[in-house]
Amino acid sequence: DTAVSQTPKYLVTQMGNDKSIKCEQNLGHDTMYWYKQDSKKFLKIMFSYNNKELIINETVPNRFSPKSPDKAHLNLHINSLELGDSAVYFCASSQDRGLGAFFGQGTRLTVV
Amino acid sequence: GENVEQHPSTLSVQEGDSAVIKCTYSDSASNYFPWYKQELGKRPQLIIDIRSNVGEKKDQRIAVTLNKTAKHFSLHITETQPEDSAVYFCAASTSQGGSEKLVFGKGTKLTVNP
Repeated sequence: DTAVSQTPKYLVTQMGNDKSIKCEQNLGHDTMYWYKQDSKKFLKIMFSYNNKELIINETVPNRFSPKSPDKAHLNLHINSLELGDSAVYFCASSQDRGLGAFFGQGTRLTVV
Repeated sequence: GENVEQHPSTLSVQEGDSAVIKCTYSDSASNYFPWYKQELGKRPQLIIDIRSNVGEKKDQRIAVTLNKTAKHFSLHITETQPEDSAVYFCAASTSQGGSEKLVFGKGTKLTVNP
């Protein structure tokens, strides 16, 4: 069973489009995250949710809007996609805030 | 805020040799330090972690050491094997607005040559 699963794995879209990435974890963890990994492999946190509540919101454009319908799901919606949004987006979860996170397989987003 | 520096950015060793990756952090309140391994095209995977009340932790060929005074921690891999080739990330926990988050180093690409 996949612990943290995200879909889709690959996403190619045109500039200006709106897209969503879905994430689900079956580990019973309370905290979920979205990370962005750029072309230089740098991993940076975007958002963190604890029990459906937003607890960390880094300096991310407001075109990015996370939504957590329940503590097992954290989706990411991106409006008006730009070329610079191209990256791999990882969902992750952890038992508690700030602890070692389990990552999903990533979504490679390419904006053309 | 927390800043995590990681060195070297690339490391090439012969199979059987040891590899050491070093990280420094800036927030003296950080108390949790995980290490992740990311193989090409795969997800980062937690391989070992250490808390600030411990100076060293071992798991088979992998060990992590922590020097709180100097604010640095290191990953040691002994008897390296080709399958150890990957990008390794260190991270440090830090508080922000009453919550905790991990700040990652920029990664070390380790190549183990057979």
